[in-house]
Amino acid sequence: KQEVTQIPAALSVPEGENLVLNCSFTDSAIYNLQWFRQDPGKGLTSLLLIQSSQREQTSGRLNASLDKSSGRSTLYIAASQPGDSATYLCAVMGTGRRALTFGSGTRLQVQP
Amino acid sequence: NAGVTQTPKFQVLKTGQSMTLQCAQDMNHEYMSWYRQDPGMGLRLIHYSVGAGITDQGEVPNGYNVSRSTTEDFPLRLLSAAPSQTSVYFCASSYSNRGGLNTEAFFGQGTRLTVV
Repeated sequence: KQEVTQIPAALSVPEGENLVLNCSFTDSAIYNLQWFRQDPGKGLTSLLLIQSSQREQTSGRLNASLDKSSGRSTLYIAASQPGDSATYLCAVMGTGRRALTFGSGTRLQVQP
Repeated sequence: NAGVTQTPKFQVLKTGQSMTLQCAQDMNHEYMSWYRQDPGMGLRLIHYSVGAGITDQGEVPNGYNVSRSTTEDFPLRLLSAAPSQTSVYFCASSYSNRGGLNTEAFFGQGTRLTVV
């Protein structure tokens, strides 16, 4: 059974810091890994999708890496801003089914 | 572009009542899935479908039924609501492109269900 773990569970940083969110998964048989953002009381916004054959993806100040063999992904946020405050979720799509297994998320607070 | 549409957005049920949560997508995606989100537990998969007429169970299927008679719609039925089913429910869809790669999953805005 696939299990996804995100560390840390919560993070508070001052504005302008670069930060790294971690995601690990137990089964390397995946199609892809996706990072989402969720604001309180809202739905999920897709940030980055990394296919299993890829090592990283970038979008603006966000960079996500994937090491499938070790079961790890990181989301790097450069020059954090108060608007980045949200919960960040990592999810993997296993090859056994076309649906996602989620981690519990990292709740990020960026202080002005 | 409507994307993934869930209705209703909010619902209060009494214990023992039944209801259907609607999910529709207009992107011709073959894969659809239902999740529930509880505080501190992330999202957990309830049921999923890889195409019209094909469904399967996820991690927490008990108390829920699904069917997929069309590509567009994937309703989730609560047979006899219980307080433990109080949660936020999300529907998602995705597809495989010509290269066989699965695309990003698109999510609806969620249905907040309270069972009293």
